Amino acid sequence: SQQGEEDPQALSIQEGENATMNCSYKTSINNLQWYRQNSGRGLVHLILIRSNEREKHSGRLRVTLDTSKKSSSLLITASRAADTASYFCATAPNANAGGTSYGKLTFGQGTILTVHP
Amino acid sequence: NAGVTQTPKFQVLKTGQSMTLQCAQDMNHEYMSWYRQDPGMGLRLIHYSVGAGITDQGEVPNGYNVSRSTTEDFPLRLLSAAPSQTSVYFCASSYSQGGKETQYFGPGTRLLVL
Repeated sequence: SQQGEEDPQALSIQEGENATMNCSYKTSINNLQWYRQNSGRGLVHLILIRSNEREKHSGRLRVTLDTSKKSSSLLITASRAADTASYFCATAPNANAGGTSYGKLTFGQGTILTVHP
Repeated sequence: NAGVTQTPKFQVLKTGQSMTLQCAQDMNHEYMSWYRQDPGMGLRLIHYSVGAGITDQGEVPNGYNVSRSTTEDFPLRLLSAAPSQTSVYFCASSYSQGGKETQYFGPGTRLLVL
């Protein structure tokens, strides 16, 4: 079964607007990661946030994590047409004491983002 | 570096046939994984490996076998293909260093089982 549920399933915005995607998960995690998938392509790692972190930034990306609510959000600011893609959250629920997931990620169903020029 | 490579890109099988999906990485990563992605879904873990000679099952392992004889290669074998195995298959590799971890995905193999 899928660990995460993402909301919304689809998001359509204009260039320059901000895009916010949410992810909820069910079990305790060590870290949560966000990935982007362009149509017909493999996934690209965007950002990782650890369970003891609340917010993280990378360029135009801002990720928040609320472990008490088991939820995360991804904000893309000043969106561009090139940001059009599917975005997935993935959790590492069975990480070892060293904090690695051993490549065992559990993915949400994704949010399809369309940015209109 | 080529990163993570997968072959073939596309494959059509008949029910009951067997085949091997190839995956290779040239980044000397310890961890490798196989996922499947069905339409409108996220990825589901089939099998994973934490090093040469060590593999384990993921969420949906039935009907698939893996082995890892070298660090670089992690093939996925379909024993007797079924229409329910029609999907896009992604291989990934990763490492962990200093508490940071990044997974690298291959371009995928699209499989159609008739």
